[in-house]
Amino acid sequence: GQQLNQSPQSMFIQEGEDVSMNCTSSSIFNTWLWYKQDPGEGPVLLIALYKAGELTSNGRLTAQFGITRKDSFLNISASIPSDVGIYFCAAGANSKLTFGKGITLSVRP
Amino acid sequence: GAVVSQHPSWVICKSGTSVKIECRSLDFQATTMFWYRQFPKQSLMLMATSNEGSKATYEQGVEKDKFLINHASLTLSTLTVTSAHPEDSSFYICSASGQANQPQHFGDGTRLSIL
Repeated sequence: GQQLNQSPQSMFIQEGEDVSMNCTSSSIFNTWLWYKQDPGEGPVLLIALYKAGELTSNGRLTAQFGITRKDSFLNISASIPSDVGIYFCAAGANSKLTFGKGITLSVRP
Repeated sequence: GAVVSQHPSWVICKSGTSVKIECRSLDFQATTMFWYRQFPKQSLMLMATSNEGSKATYEQGVEKDKFLINHASLTLSTLTVTSAHPEDSSFYICSASGQANQPQHFGDGTRLSIL
């Protein structure tokens, strides 16, 4: 089946640093989304991308929809402690989403 | 906007009990709702897709008689885990989408523990 690849599984950064996460697929998707999940809660939508090449920002977060429609990246600038959590990429086709395995981000104060 | 409420947030019950989980879109009409299951430290696995007024579409390997889904209105979908057993213990999360091509918004999940 369709799979999204996110790696590494965990990332550790210092407060104030920037971090970039990538998500790749062997399949083409029409929509790419990034979600953040805190323990015991549902995922929260960070950024939604609908057009190949699209670059969208949401505060300190920036994400891009790859031109090949097979990848996307998420950048977090000037990280803060509340950025800790699990970041999932998701890609859509025919209204269904496929999720990556997520990256657990830790931010050292 | 785009708030999805899920209830209950956690439930503990005995083996053999049926458990109903509700998913509501509070400030928009959800033409489509989705039910996911998530095991610890793993990704979300889609169980089924439901459209208002029609039967749910289940993913391969998901027992439709075990996981009953009802989407009776544009703001409410329910998942009933029938005759639950310990292996059904998991984190169940719903999501809702308004019009086509709009992103899915998730509820806060239900932690189900079957003793």
